[in-house]
Amino acid sequence: QSVLTQPPSASGTPGQRVTISCSGSSSNIGSYTVNWYQQFPGTAPKVLIYGNNQRPSGVPDRFSGSRSGTSASLAISGLQSDDEADYYCAAWDGSLNGVVFGGGTKLTVL
Amino acid sequence: QVQLVESGGGVVQSGRSLRLSCAAPGFTFRNYGMHWVRQAPGKGLEWVAVIWYDGSKEYYVDSVKGRFTISRDNSQKMLYLQMNSLRAEDTAVYYCARWMGAPHYYIDLWGRGTTVTVSS
Repeated sequence: QSVLTQPPSASGTPGQRVTISCSGSSSNIGSYTVNWYQQFPGTAPKVLIYGNNQRPSGVPDRFSGSRSGTSASLAISGLQSDDEADYYCAAWDGSLNGVVFGGGTKLTVL
Repeated sequence: QVQLVESGGGVVQSGRSLRLSCAAPGFTFRNYGMHWVRQAPGKGLEWVAVIWYDGSKEYYVDSVKGRFTISRDNSQKMLYLQMNSLRAEDTAVYYCARWMGAPHYYIDLWGRGTTVTVSS
């Protein structure tokens, strides 16, 4: 059982916009910024969004993040087949003194 | 080249020990906190431990407290994870990861991982 809650799966067709939610609590998302990671099978995760809504250089602006209260979401617009991957939200947790991850959302491009 | 390279994984019997290492060439290692994150087969990411940039603080996930120890050698640009009393549920790919601290507290660099398999 992960501390942050994500839907296990999401899907969309090419060109569509999809959103992935992430729910936490006051000790994590409510107090610290949310980060999103993308992971392809057999490879290490890569940071997609940090600081709730900041994109590292090289990440397309099709990816955007937001946070409100103790929840956050990742939006992917103009969905592409290459976006098919697992997506994880994460945040520092001040009560646990550690990083907490969501269980991951497997995105399928139909 | 900025990278993290893990080593030390393998197959080990339940109850035994293993030490993972992570080499961190290409950046000023002593300026960064470092994490170990693991991923069991077919499962999601699980944070394991963090160590402050100067080694002054360490924190662990409850399931490894008292069994695992994170440490670092800033002069050698190395991160370590000593794993004792290993259990089957510790079987995972273990990633070494660099931590960007305040204000955003995020992991910005990951190694490729090293696989630990604990057999009963």
